[in-house]
Amino acid sequence: NAGVTQTPKFRVLKTGQSMTLLCAQDMNHEYMYWYRQDPGMGLRLIHYSVGEGTTAKGEVPDGYNVSRLKKQNFLLGLESAAPSQTSVYFCASRINFSNRAGELFFGEGSRLTVL
Amino acid sequence: GEDVEQSLFLSVREGDSSVINCTYTDSSSTYLYWYKQEPGAGLQLLTYIFSNMDMKQDQRLTVLLNKKDKHLSLRIADTQTGDSAIYFCAESRSGGYNKLIFGAGTRLAVHP
Repeated sequence: NAGVTQTPKFRVLKTGQSMTLLCAQDMNHEYMYWYRQDPGMGLRLIHYSVGEGTTAKGEVPDGYNVSRLKKQNFLLGLESAAPSQTSVYFCASRINFSNRAGELFFGEGSRLTVL
Repeated sequence: GEDVEQSLFLSVREGDSSVINCTYTDSSSTYLYWYKQEPGAGLQLLTYIFSNMDMKQDQRLTVLLNKKDKHLSLRIADTQTGDSAIYFCAESRSGGYNKLIFGAGTRLAVHP
């Protein structure tokens, strides 16, 4: 059982380049999330999805786009990367009902550096 | 995580108890969580407490919740080197998607 898998794990981009981070989960979870983690700031929610074909903005959505074409996949796109988007990105998923209310299952993270 | 605050660093001796504190602002939060992040890994749920509880104990872990002061703490008894990690406090906000708001994390260092 792989859980939540993120690819790639590391990437270096030049300013203005585009890229896509892929998150895949095999737990049949309805909800999926993209967070970014920056030193001293904890995790901030970028976008989230409550089901296949639906997405919504989180706290810091600017500069990012997402898609949830399949239930198991949640893609995070950067159309024109900026140095301010240098961060560690975490994908998470959650079942829509659980006796362990609200438990998020996280991927191992993707470290992105924008030069 | 501007609505959830934690101290950034805690150092303890192996075998002592560790207490990590957290304050939150949303009185409507239904659940409060502690997540643990080990180096190079994602976050894993450590424990959680429902907002109508004052205390929850799970082996070496004790969670205390003071709703009046919006204060949450995590006590780790007999702290071991394997407990060295970053600990995140998080609160759930009401809403169908159960959005979690995370603190900045407390880095726990355990020394001999």
